[in-house]
Amino acid sequence: KQEVTQIPAALSVPEGENLVLNCSFTDSAIYNLQWFRQDPGKGLTSLLLIQSSQREQTSGRLNASLDKSSGRSTLYIAASQPGDSATYLCALWNFNKFYFGSGTKLNVKP
Amino acid sequence: DAEITQSPRHKITETGRQVTLACHQTWNHNNMFWYRQDLGHGLRLIHYSYGVHDTNKGEVSDGYSVSRSNTEDLPLTLESAASSQTSVYFCASSGNLYNEQFFGPGTRLTVL
Repeated sequence: KQEVTQIPAALSVPEGENLVLNCSFTDSAIYNLQWFRQDPGKGLTSLLLIQSSQREQTSGRLNASLDKSSGRSTLYIAASQPGDSATYLCALWNFNKFYFGSGTKLNVKP
Repeated sequence: DAEITQSPRHKITETGRQVTLACHQTWNHNNMFWYRQDLGHGLRLIHYSYGVHDTNKGEVSDGYSVSRSNTEDLPLTLESAASSQTSVYFCASSGNLYNEQFFGPGTRLTVL
């Protein structure tokens, strides 16, 4: 069974810092991997989608990479801002199921 | 703009009652999904549909049912609500398995 792990569970950084969030998975047979952000009491907002054949995707200050051989994806946030404070979840498609990580709660301090 | 909506946003009900949560998307997506989100369990798939008249069970489908009579809607029914079904429920849709999933705002359900 696919297992998706996100470490750390929580992260607090000063504004302006570059940071990396990690997502690891146990089965490399995935269709794609998606990163989401969730604000308290809200739904999930899609940030980036990486297909299984791709190595990375970029959107603004965000860059997501995918290494299937090592079972790892990272989300890089450049020049973090207080508005980036949220919970970040990774999720992946694997044999007709969508598996979610438990998320990393990010706090960016002004 | 295309969107996905859920109603109601908040619902309080009693044990044993039937409850239906609505999900409506205007993306014209084939795939629709229902998840529940609980502390300590993250997001778990309840049911999903790949098109009209198609429904499939997810990992936590007991006590829930769905039906898909058109492309836009996938209502989730709790046949006899239980306190263990107190949760936040999210609906999502995607064009196909290789596309992004888009999520609705969620429904907070409390079963007393």
